[in-house]
Amino acid sequence: DAKTTQPPSMDCAEGRAANLPCNHSTISGNEYVYWYRQIHSQGPQYIIHGLKNNETNEMASLIITEDRKSSTLILPHATLRDTAVYYCIVRANTGNQFYFGTGTSLTVIP
Amino acid sequence: GAVVSQHPSRVICKSGTSVKIECRSLDFQATTMFWYRQFPKKSLMLMATSNEGSKATYEQGVEKDKFLINHASLTLSTLTVTSAHPEDSSFYICSAREDPRDTYEQYFGPGTRLTVT
Repeated sequence: DAKTTQPPSMDCAEGRAANLPCNHSTISGNEYVYWYRQIHSQGPQYIIHGLKNNETNEMASLIITEDRKSSTLILPHATLRDTAVYYCIVRANTGNQFYFGTGTSLTVIP
Repeated sequence: GAVVSQHPSRVICKSGTSVKIECRSLDFQATTMFWYRQFPKKSLMLMATSNEGSKATYEQGVEKDKFLINHASLTLSTLTVTSAHPEDSSFYICSAREDPRDTYEQYFGPGTRLTVT
């Protein structure tokens, strides 16, 4: 599975949009981009995933560049409860395991 | 949505004893379950993949005789840490995949914090 690179930490003001970048320059054509988050001392929570088109659900939006070498997770109106470590993972849909990188620790500031 | 539970949520044991952690899929059948461990301020590290009715597949560097995995039913996988030592203290997390064809998501349990004294 392709390796991802994320900034180690970010801050965001409450109520503002949080934009979390992820680089995956070696992604293969059959690999999806997944985002999970982990709130302190809990199991990871699925957020969103996509292949090439932008995706949106009730939690977030996923913007994937045309060359698919990077993506951005957008939390449109960050709340204090969004403070967590966010993991970007790429994996083929025929794949099995998820391999977690170091993630981005997002702190939402009041 | 699909729910995965773990039991216990926290356990403290003495060095040399064995500890069993259960992972259950509550509202779906999990043909495949995964076990991770996580050290403080570190990312999740995949330990092994368990398939119902067959032997688990361990990641490189994970001792299979140390971490015994049993996936005896479609809703239950267990991880037994044998002869635990303080360095085994960690946060253990399981995840489950509902169907072989559904590779989109994995559902994660809440984790089990193991402390070996």
